[in-house]
Amino acid sequence: AIQLTQSPSSLSASVGDRVTITCRASQGISSALAWYQQKPGKAPKLLIYDASSLESGVPSRFSGSGSGTDFTLTISSLQPEDFATYYCQQFNSYPALTFGGGTKVEIK
Amino acid sequence: QVQLVESGGGVVQPGGSLRLSCAASGFTFSSYGMHWVRQAPGKGLEWVAFIRYDGSNKYYADSVKGRFTISRDNSKNTLYLQMNSLRAEDTAVYYCAKDNSVREIVGATGFDYWGQGTLVTVSS
Repeated sequence: AIQLTQSPSSLSASVGDRVTITCRASQGISSALAWYQQKPGKAPKLLIYDASSLESGVPSRFSGSGSGTDFTLTISSLQPEDFATYYCQQFNSYPALTFGGGTKVEIK
Repeated sequence: QVQLVESGGGVVQPGGSLRLSCAASGFTFSSYGMHWVRQAPGKGLEWVAFIRYDGSNKYYADSVKGRFTISRDNSKNTLYLQMNSLRAEDTAVYYCAKDNSVREIVGATGFDYWGQGTLVTVSS
């Protein structure tokens, strides 16, 4: 099974900061990666699909990049509503799917 | 608008059974693959099961294979998860999720809609 490792597991940042989260796959997955945002008590929300495509309605401060085994999610200027937990998910072995362990973005 | 509404969660003893439902509306349910994803308290997301848009293919995580069964009724726009031989480690919020591939014409690339989740607690 394909494993996804996210780093860091948590980070503290201030409003306006540029934030980067990394997701590494245990084997090459081309660009078959999605990113989600989850706030406490809520369902996850799709942000990025195909590694770099922005889901409709998602602010342009979110961007994704990478292919193969290494991927990044970048928030260009962190906003108060962006404090949440972020997960990556691989679709290369669809329908056997896996999520990364999550990265919690907290207020500094 | 698209809505997914789960129901059927609750408290069940170890070894017991439970059936979850997910009522879908606002899209052509019979054209999309559907999934169950769970989240144990304070933990990350775990993909549980998939069913093809027409019900012809099903796939399970190793952790639930042989105990859980996913099904769908396209005439009722409803997804199900039958959970048998429940264990304490199955305690979680269970979400249904729609993937974004129409009839698998192009491969799925994300789960674009999720339900609000239903809590399953396995405890004596």
